[in-house]
Amino acid sequence: KAGVTQTPRYLIKTRGQQVTLSCSPISGHRSVSWYQQTPGQGLQFLFEYFSETQRNKGNFPGRFSGRQFSNSRSEMNVSTLELGDSALYLCASSLAQSGRGYTQYFGPGTRLTVL
Amino acid sequence: KNQVEQSPQSLIILEGKNCTLQCNYTVSPFSNLRWYKQDTGRGPVSLTIMTFSENTKSNGRYTATLDADTKQSSLHITASQLSDSASYICVVSDDYKLSFGAGTTVTVRA
Repeated sequence: KAGVTQTPRYLIKTRGQQVTLSCSPISGHRSVSWYQQTPGQGLQFLFEYFSETQRNKGNFPGRFSGRQFSNSRSEMNVSTLELGDSALYLCASSLAQSGRGYTQYFGPGTRLTVL
Repeated sequence: KNQVEQSPQSLIILEGKNCTLQCNYTVSPFSNLRWYKQDTGRGPVSLTIMTFSENTKSNGRYTATLDADTKQSSLHITASQLSDSASYICVVSDDYKLSFGAGTTVTVRA
C-alpha cells in the first residue's frame, strides 16, 4: 500500500508570492491534516479536512487555506508569503477524523524556503 | 487551555542503555494519547496510541505507560540502538483536536 505522498518536496519562493502544496493520502483514508513544523515551534496544527469539509482549524492567519477533493487528495495554499513561513509542511492521513484514535500516517513533508 | 509538556527537552544516552521520556498533559476531556517518533528530515511515525482504559502498550523496544488520573505518560526505550536517535513527540486528543508536545530529542551514542 502506497504511503502518504506530498509534492513538491522542496520549494523556494520569495516574499509576497503564493504557493500551493499537495498531499495524496493513503488509499481509503478520508481525513487529511496539515501541520507546520519549525525548529523553534515544533509541530503546529493548521487544519484538518474530512470528507471534503474542514473539520478543525489551528491558529493561523487567513493567508493559510486548504481544500480537499472528492478523492481525498488535499491542497494547502499560502498567499502573500512571509519570511516566517519558511518551514517543513507535513500532511497526515487517517481513516477517519484524527482525534478519534485512528493512526495518523505522515508524509515526508514539503520544505518551503521563503527568501 | 489544553497543554502537553514533555521532559527532558533532550537527552544523550549510550547505545544499549535504557531511557524514559515524560509527558504531562492538561487536555480535557481525554480521549487518547499517542507517541510519535520523528527522524531528522522525515515525517513522524506513530509508535503507540492509548485510550483511557490502557495503562501500558508496547511496540518492540518501546513501551508507553499512561496514568490518566495524574495525566502523565512515559515512553521507555529499552536497549537503545543508534537508530533510536530521533525526536519523540507526545500527542493528546480530546476526541476532537490533537494537542502536541514540543518533543524530546534523543541522541544515542556508540
